[in-house]
Amino acid sequence: DIQMTQSPSSLSASVGDRVTITCRASQSISSFLNWYQQKPGKAPKLLIYATSTLQSGVPSRFSGSGSGIDFTLTISSLQPEDFATYYCQQSYSTPPIVTFGPGTKVDIK
Amino acid sequence: EVQLVESGGGLVQPGGSLRLSCAASGFTFSSYWMHWVRQVPGKGLVWVSRINSDGSTTSYADSVKGRFTISRDNAKNTLYLQMNSLRAEDTAVYYCARVFGYNAFDSWGQGTLVTVSS
Repeated sequence: DIQMTQSPSSLSASVGDRVTITCRASQSISSFLNWYQQKPGKAPKLLIYATSTLQSGVPSRFSGSGSGIDFTLTISSLQPEDFATYYCQQSYSTPPIVTFGPGTKVDIK
Repeated sequence: EVQLVESGGGLVQPGGSLRLSCAASGFTFSSYWMHWVRQVPGKGLVWVSRINSDGSTTSYADSVKGRFTISRDNAKNTLYLQMNSLRAEDTAVYYCARVFGYNAFDSWGQGTLVTVSS
């Protein structure tokens, strides 16, 4: 099974900061990597799919990059509403067995 | 507007059964693969099961294989998760989610809490 790791597990940042979260797969997953944002008590929200494609309605300060095993989610200028937990998710396996990363919590410094 | 509404959660004793439902609206339900994902409060997301658009193909996480059954009724626009032989470690919020390209979950329900405890 493909395992996903994320780093850091948590970070503290200020409004306006540039934030980078890394996700690593245990084997190559091509570009089959998606990112989600989850706020307390809410369902996850899709931010980016296929490594770098922004989901409709998601602000352009969010971006994704990477390929193979290493992927990055970047928030170019952190906004108050961005304080949340972020999860990566791979969907490369056949049949499509989904695996999520353990999450990265972004809170206020 | 796409809507997914889960129901059926609650308190059940270990070894018991529960059936979750996910009512879909605002889209052509029969065209989409659907998944169940669960989350222990305060913990991460864990994939549980998936079903293809016509219900002919299913997959399960090893942790629930043989105990859970995913199904769907496209005439009723509803997804189900039959959970048998429940264990304490099945306690979680269960989400249904719609999948589109790249197996990305673009729509989620609000979740339903399942608590397995004596």
